[in-house]
Amino acid sequence: GESVGLHLPTLSVQEGDNSIINCAYSNSASDYFIWYKQESGKGPQFIIDIRSNMDKRQGQRVTVLLNKTVKHLSLQIAATQPGDSAVYFCAERRSSASKIIFGSGTRLSIRP
Amino acid sequence: EPEVTQTPSHQVTQMGQEVILRCVPISNHLYFYWYRQILGQKVEFLVSFYNNEISEKSEIFDDQFSVERPDGSNFTLKIRSTKLEDSAMYFCASRTGALTDTQYFGPGTRLTVL
Repeated sequence: GESVGLHLPTLSVQEGDNSIINCAYSNSASDYFIWYKQESGKGPQFIIDIRSNMDKRQGQRVTVLLNKTVKHLSLQIAATQPGDSAVYFCAERRSSASKIIFGSGTRLSIRP
Repeated sequence: EPEVTQTPSHQVTQMGQEVILRCVPISNHLYFYWYRQILGQKVEFLVSFYNNEISEKSEIFDDQFSVERPDGSNFTLKIRSTKLEDSAMYFCASRTGALTDTQYFGPGTRLTVL
């Protein structure tokens, strides 16, 4: 079967520190991975993506790392801010398919 | 910045009633999707739509569900006879024709079936 799962359901981080959210996937056919942020009452918001031919991609304050050997994906948020509080989902897609398969989500909370 | 919009934001209905959820995808997008999220759970794929036909659907998307693009801008999800377990957030998403492009999600419609 295929599944995308998250190691931790909740993560509490001190404001200003870096956050690392982890995700495991089991479908080796997946070749495209996405991180979404979902704030309360809103739809998933695209953060960053990475293709399977890469192992790292950086955006503004965010970095995604992909380790295909152990089927592991992580999202790093630098200098975490209160506005980063949300549920973060990793998701995967195979290039031959169109649907996105979401993981179960990690809630990130920020301590002042 | 263009965005996916959805109406209504909240729909309350009685069990057995028909509901239509509406979405306006981003204007130059060609692929359209519906997902749902039961409270506290992950987002689940329902159906994808391209070139005026369903391209893929999940096992959730049974005969009670249908989708339509009635005109050049709207994309609708109809549930013919709602059940209590249909209560969820329903998200519409769209993307361009490029397989490499990301799906962009709307704000969702909260459906409550009583």
